[in-house]
Amino acid sequence: EAQVTQNPRYLITVTGKKLTVTCSQNMNHEYMSWYRQDPGLGLRQIYYSMNVEVTDKGDVPEGYKVSRKEKRNFPLILESPSPNQTSLYFCASSLSASGSGGGGQYFGPGTRLTVT
Amino acid sequence: SQQGEEDPQALSIQEGENATMNCSYKTSINNLQWYRQNSGRGLVHLILIRSNEREKHSGRLRVTLDTSKKSSSLLITASRAADTASYFCATDEIRGSTLGRLYFGRGTQLTVWP
Repeated sequence: EAQVTQNPRYLITVTGKKLTVTCSQNMNHEYMSWYRQDPGLGLRQIYYSMNVEVTDKGDVPEGYKVSRKEKRNFPLILESPSPNQTSLYFCASSLSASGSGGGGQYFGPGTRLTVT
Repeated sequence: SQQGEEDPQALSIQEGENATMNCSYKTSINNLQWYRQNSGRGLVHLILIRSNEREKHSGRLRVTLDTSKKSSSLLITASRAADTASYFCATDEIRGSTLGRLYFGRGTQLTVWP
């Protein structure tokens, strides 16, 4: 089954404790992206990757890091989480940039992060 | 910065009625996409319309695109309670050599009452 998986699905942590949210896709997609969703603000792009070893900033990259060492994985790293990073996070993948190759972007189920 | 803006923010209708949501954007685009999100879950791609297309259909969905007005509409015909969800438009903006930027609006919350 074609899917994007994220782990963990729920996480409560404390300020400053480094964490990683994993993302993996099994569709051989070149393009992957991370978004955060906050009430009233919609989805905002954090980072995206056009291919292995190629990453770029989205609209809200501050406080986040990513890496793309393998095509299928695109982990999101919070080196020193702060309460303003409490949010719902989505990983997405697609065949081409922005899903323009047809089929759009495939989204993971989301990770609900709370930083106290 | 967000590109697409949906209107209305919330829409409440009865089963069997049609639901229309609109999306406006500011700059030139390659394509516009509509997504659906059930509460707290991942977004699901519904339909993509390219900048050179004016209308597209998929089942009970009809999407129109007016590039001169920089707007799109999503029509869901004969709505069902199961259509209750948030609907987002997303634009693939043309901006120089920058690729891979998909901008989502804030969404329209559709509630369909049985």
